[in-house]
Amino acid sequence: DTAVSQTPKYLVTQMGNDKSIKCEQNLGHDTMYWYKQDSKKFLKIMFSYNNKELIINETVPNRFSPKSPDKAHLNLHINSLELGDSAVYFCASSQELPSQETQYFGPGTRLLVL
Amino acid sequence: QKEVEQDPGPLSVPEGAIVSLNCTYSNSAFQYFMWYRQYSRKGPELLMYTYSSGNKEDGRFTAQVDKSSKYISLFIRDSQPSDSATYLCAMKRAGGTSYGKLTFGQGTILTVHP
Repeated sequence: DTAVSQTPKYLVTQMGNDKSIKCEQNLGHDTMYWYKQDSKKFLKIMFSYNNKELIINETVPNRFSPKSPDKAHLNLHINSLELGDSAVYFCASSQELPSQETQYFGPGTRLLVL
Repeated sequence: QKEVEQDPGPLSVPEGAIVSLNCTYSNSAFQYFMWYRQYSRKGPELLMYTYSSGNKEDGRFTAQVDKSSKYISLFIRDSQPSDSATYLCAMKRAGGTSYGKLTFGQGTILTVHP
């Protein structure tokens, strides 16, 4: 069973399009995240949700809109895609209990904007 | 200046070598220190986790944290070709509104050749 899953795995699209990436976790965690990994492998947090509430928004353009319909799901919608949005997007989840700091990452969604 | 600096490598070593991976950081509020391993085209997976200063050993892996120098290390003994991956250091503050926000280094690409 996959702990954190993302769909789609690959996404190739044209500039200006709108696209969504979905994430689901079956670990019963309260907190979910979106990260962006650029071509140099640098991994940077974008958003974090705790119990469906946005708690971290790291200066991300408002073309990116996360949505959490429930604790187990965190989706990312991107409007008006730009070339610079090409990257790998990772979803992660964690349970914020004392001494339990592990974040579990999904397999990533490789987005290519042409 | 980035909050976390990591030598991107790449690092190429023969099988059986001892590997040393390092990160420095500038934010003294970081209390939790992690090493993630990321295989090609996969999501990062937690390898080692340390709270505050000290050493932690797990099989062939040893993590060291020196908060006075703002320096963390990961040592891999008897390295194997299966250790070939990108290694990412990550850090997190304790408490407050951090809610799991991890700050990553740039990642070090390691290749262990037979």
